Amino acid sequence: GAGVSQTPSNKVTEKGKYVELRCDPISGHTALYWYRQSLGQGPEFLIYFQGTGAADDSGLPNDRFFAVRPEGSVSTLKIQRTERGDSAVYLCASSESGRIDNEQFFGPGTRLTVL
Amino acid sequence: GDSVTQMEGPVTLSEEAFLTINCTYTATGYPSLFWYVQYPGEGLQLLLKATKADDKGSNKGFEATYRKETTSFHLEKGSVQVSDSAVYFCALSDAYSGAGSYQLTFGKGTKLSVIP
Repeated sequence: GAGVSQTPSNKVTEKGKYVELRCDPISGHTALYWYRQSLGQGPEFLIYFQGTGAADDSGLPNDRFFAVRPEGSVSTLKIQRTERGDSAVYLCASSESGRIDNEQFFGPGTRLTVL
Repeated sequence: GDSVTQMEGPVTLSEEAFLTINCTYTATGYPSLFWYVQYPGEGLQLLLKATKADDKGSNKGFEATYRKETTSFHLEKGSVQVSDSAVYFCALSDAYSGAGSYQLTFGKGTKLSVIP
């Protein structure tokens, strides 16, 4: 079956611009996570959705970052006034539910470059 | 807070050599432990997991045992193949971190190259 998909695969933008990154989770998965992976590092947690609501946004670095999941499936990560330090690979993952031992299935990521 | 420390790479081995990638963790609660793998050009995928002390996770010839007394989850394989070349990430999920979201906390990753 289809896995987690993310679009675009690559995004180049200029400092100060607004960007949106999209995630399509596996159908039926209620839990959705966003992570950010900087070069040479492991992924770092940003935000978690259970259904439509953001149940845990403790990983968002500041108020320029925001994410939505209005219908409980597709999610969009939004970054305002981008900075060069936002350059990273943004990963989306979904799982059947929010259980501690549920496997998280990852998408291929969106590589964001802020010039 | 929670953290994962894994041995730094890159690691280069000859085919059929024995592999160990060390991983230790710090957690507030009683975490579940995972190894994820990222093959060249592909996304992260789960390799194996263990959810309680002394559990052994295994898959594709890889093994790791959850050692609570040493807070470790070392990855091992008896005979590596060229196709095992990838980046390996140790990770944990802790019920006491965050708002019950069970997000994964990852190590920095270890790049493994296996040469014929």
